[in-house]
Amino acid sequence: DGGITQSPKYLFRKEGQNVTLSCEQNLNHDAMYWYRQDPGQGLRLIYYSQIVNDFQKGDIAEGYSVSREKKESFPLTVTSAQKNPTAFYLCASSIVTAYGYTFGSGTRLTVV
Amino acid sequence: AQKITQTQPGMFVQEKEAVTLDCTYDTSDPSYGLFWYKQPSSGEMIFLIYQGSYDQQNATEGRYSLNFQKARKSANLVISASQLGDSAMYFCAMRDPTGGFKTIFGAGTRLFVKA
Repeated sequence: DGGITQSPKYLFRKEGQNVTLSCEQNLNHDAMYWYRQDPGQGLRLIYYSQIVNDFQKGDIAEGYSVSREKKESFPLTVTSAQKNPTAFYLCASSIVTAYGYTFGSGTRLTVV
Repeated sequence: AQKITQTQPGMFVQEKEAVTLDCTYDTSDPSYGLFWYKQPSSGEMIFLIYQGSYDQQNATEGRYSLNFQKARKSANLVISASQLGDSAMYFCAMRDPTGGFKTIFGAGTRLFVKA
């Protein structure tokens, strides 16, 4: 079955560490997205990519980095520059100008 | 600037009754898409329904319908015959060319279905 796989489901980070969240899709979608969700709030866009080897900053890109070397993969690195990284992170993909997104099941990141 | 507003933080509905979740939006682009997503407690986002700005009829998908009032910039979700499994967060979202085809989300409405 086609879909999006995010891993790990839960991730703990120590202060000052970089961590990478994985997102893989087998839907042959060109566009991929990373959103952050804080408790009781909506989703805010971190980064998005509409084509391999190209990506754009979203509304809250500071402290995050991404790469898009393969169509299927769009990993997100949460760097030590992100001062408040504890949140739920959702990856999504879509045909660039089509209807809704397909979302992964999310990664819950906690700073310890 | 694009904006999505959901003014109901929480809603209660009796099982088997209908419920309307409110959503208003703002965009300067005449071409846009409106979406509703459901987020159960497990966290995944589930796409429910889509309405294009040029669609003449309101979108429907099973028990979900979208009450689209373009002049009022309103895109309310109507869930008919509520079920206990409908208890979840619901997000209204919009996508338009001005925003580079990114999707922006409202703050969400938590729906509680009572038995």
